[in-house]
Amino acid sequence: GAVVSQHPSWVICKSGTSVKIECRSLDFQATTMFWYRQFPKQSLMLMATSNEGSKATYEQGVEKDKFLINHASLTLSTLTVTSAHPEDSSFYICSARGSGAFSYEQYFGPGTRLTVT
Amino acid sequence: RKEVEQDPGPFNVPEGATVAFNCTYSNSASQSFFWYRQDCRKEPKLLMSVYSSGNEDGRFTAQLNRASQYISLLIRDSKLSDSATYLCVVPPIPNFGNEKLTFGTGTRLTIIP
Repeated sequence: GAVVSQHPSWVICKSGTSVKIECRSLDFQATTMFWYRQFPKQSLMLMATSNEGSKATYEQGVEKDKFLINHASLTLSTLTVTSAHPEDSSFYICSARGSGAFSYEQYFGPGTRLTVT
Repeated sequence: RKEVEQDPGPFNVPEGATVAFNCTYSNSASQSFFWYRQDCRKEPKLLMSVYSSGNEDGRFTAQLNRASQYISLLIRDSKLSDSATYLCVVPPIPNFGNEKLTFGTGTRLTIIP
């Protein structure tokens, strides 16, 4: 159990366009979802934490108007990178945590590799 | 002091050897720890959890030293498939209202044939 999927797995877009990344918990209800970004040879950096039905909490230095997060249901969260620029090129990973048996560990999605040209 | 610190390596180790690396943490109230492994261009995968003094799972042993505030990961009889980046992760302290995992920068391990 505890499978998290992400879509798309990779995307190439032109500078100035917006990209939406989906994160889904497939076999449990994700009360909390986390969005991370990882640049080459660096560790995961938390961007924001979102609880179902409420606004996301962004980490310091992450622009909430640029990285729009929607956690509309207990199985789906989306991250939209608005007006993407080459410096936004990165590996975006979501994780999810549920309740009960799924409450202690964060389950990671396979990541989305974004390249902005 | 950083919340979680790891030696970034790289560690280049011959196949069959034993390798160990450490992770230090700053918050003495932390109660449990994770080791994750991350393969290139993949998501992190949980390797081991450490709750008390240590944990052992096959060739992998994790040990916790609370007095010195470090966790170690020991890999015996290393295999080529052990090549990865190993991330030390400190989960939130229960009931402190903070849900964030804190990741170390990772230790890059390469097993050489």
